[in-house]
Amino acid sequence: NAGVMQNPRHLVRRRGQEARLRCSPMKGHSHVYWYRQLPEEGLKFMVYLQKENIIDESGMPKERFSAEFPKEGPSILRIQQVVRGDSAAYFCASSRTESNQPQHFGDGTRLSIL
Amino acid sequence: RKEVEQDPGPFNVPEGATVAFNCTYSNSASQSFFWYRQDCRKEPKLLMSVYSSGNEDGRFTAQLNRASQYISLLIRDSKLSDSATYLCVVSGSGYSTLTFGKGTMLLVSP
Repeated sequence: NAGVMQNPRHLVRRRGQEARLRCSPMKGHSHVYWYRQLPEEGLKFMVYLQKENIIDESGMPKERFSAEFPKEGPSILRIQQVVRGDSAAYFCASSRTESNQPQHFGDGTRLSIL
Repeated sequence: RKEVEQDPGPFNVPEGATVAFNCTYSNSASQSFFWYRQDCRKEPKLLMSVYSSGNEDGRFTAQLNRASQYISLLIRDSKLSDSATYLCVVSGSGYSTLTFGKGTMLLVSP
């Protein structure tokens, strides 16, 4: 499968725990984007990364959320000390370049906070 | 004004009908425009890009009016499998981060 791979598909955490969401972009894609979709809401941009660089994190909450895209391995979205309001679907997308290219999405991670 | 605005619907149409969705966007510097579809909260899938000259892909036709900041999608000969939420998507003026509308729900019935 050469598509965008996200894992886990479903993640359950208790309040105060940490959540780690992983995303491997499509082969040949070096641009990764994370989006969050709250229940009954549209997708909201969170962060845009290239290898080892955060390009735009204007959509990331100021606290508890961080993202990285290391030289080797998948991109990671990390949520520390999760709260109930973090329950959402988190989608990762990738594109080949940044120049007006469409983005292709992974299946998403459904995060549930107990 | 919302960045990308769509009628949430639902649009209920019979098979074979023609249906049109509209979308307006607020950022006049936007450079790229797309329609995605999303089924039952699954991942968004690219339906088509939208160009100023208009473009067609089978039963689907997309139009862009930059002066009015308006995008449309026309679906002809609707199929049951067209039932989904259609997302109007606009890129920003800088990097290609995307702004999504909340979507328009389409329900095609036999």
